[in-house]
Amino acid sequence: AQKVTQAQTEISVVEKEDVTLDCVYETRDTTYYLFWYKQPPSGELVFLIRRNSFDEQNEISGRYSWNFQKSTSSFNFTITASQVVDSAVYFCALKEDQAGTALIFGKGTTLSVSS
Amino acid sequence: DAGITQSPRYKITETGRQVTLMCHQTWSHSYMFWYRQDLGHGLRLIYYSAAADITDKGEVPDGYVVSRSKTENFPLTLESATRSQTSVYFCASTPIPAGYNGYTFGSGTRLTVV
Repeated sequence: AQKVTQAQTEISVVEKEDVTLDCVYETRDTTYYLFWYKQPPSGELVFLIRRNSFDEQNEISGRYSWNFQKSTSSFNFTITASQVVDSAVYFCALKEDQAGTALIFGKGTTLSVSS
Repeated sequence: DAGITQSPRYKITETGRQVTLMCHQTWSHSYMFWYRQDLGHGLRLIYYSAAADITDKGEVPDGYVVSRSKTENFPLTLESATRSQTSVYFCASTPIPAGYNGYTFGSGTRLTVV
């Protein structure tokens, strides 16, 4: 069965610190897709990134970077030089190619960045 | 405006009442989903739909009913609301599963059952 684990429930950092949010997934499928979403205090869910299982190249977008490692079934998210606006709940999600159409979410990590 | 709209944003209802949460999208996306968000559980799938008149159960479907007579609408009905259904409900849509732009979510409906 597919599963997504975000072991860090809450993380607190001070502005300008780097922070990594962990995501570990389980799947039997060889083709699958991984996602990260951000939920700021206003409550909406904002899509950040999608990765497929054949693309292990790391991604960088500004202060955000993602490290995909199939060998450890992990898709970790790093924020460099964190800012107060990064305070949010971050969700990792998985979609298997052969198992339905919906995203399966982890329980989320609440990131608090203080000034 | 184009997008995915949920209504109402907030709803308080009494135990045993029927309540319907609305979801409307303007993109003609084939796939639509309902999730509930609860502290400690993340987002859990209630129901999803691959096209008009095609719906299927997700992880937590008990107590909920959906319909999809038109591509753009995907209402979620709580037939007899219970306190355990107090939650934030999110609707989502996508043109294809696992597309490059991810799944787009509505702003959510915060439902309180008293």
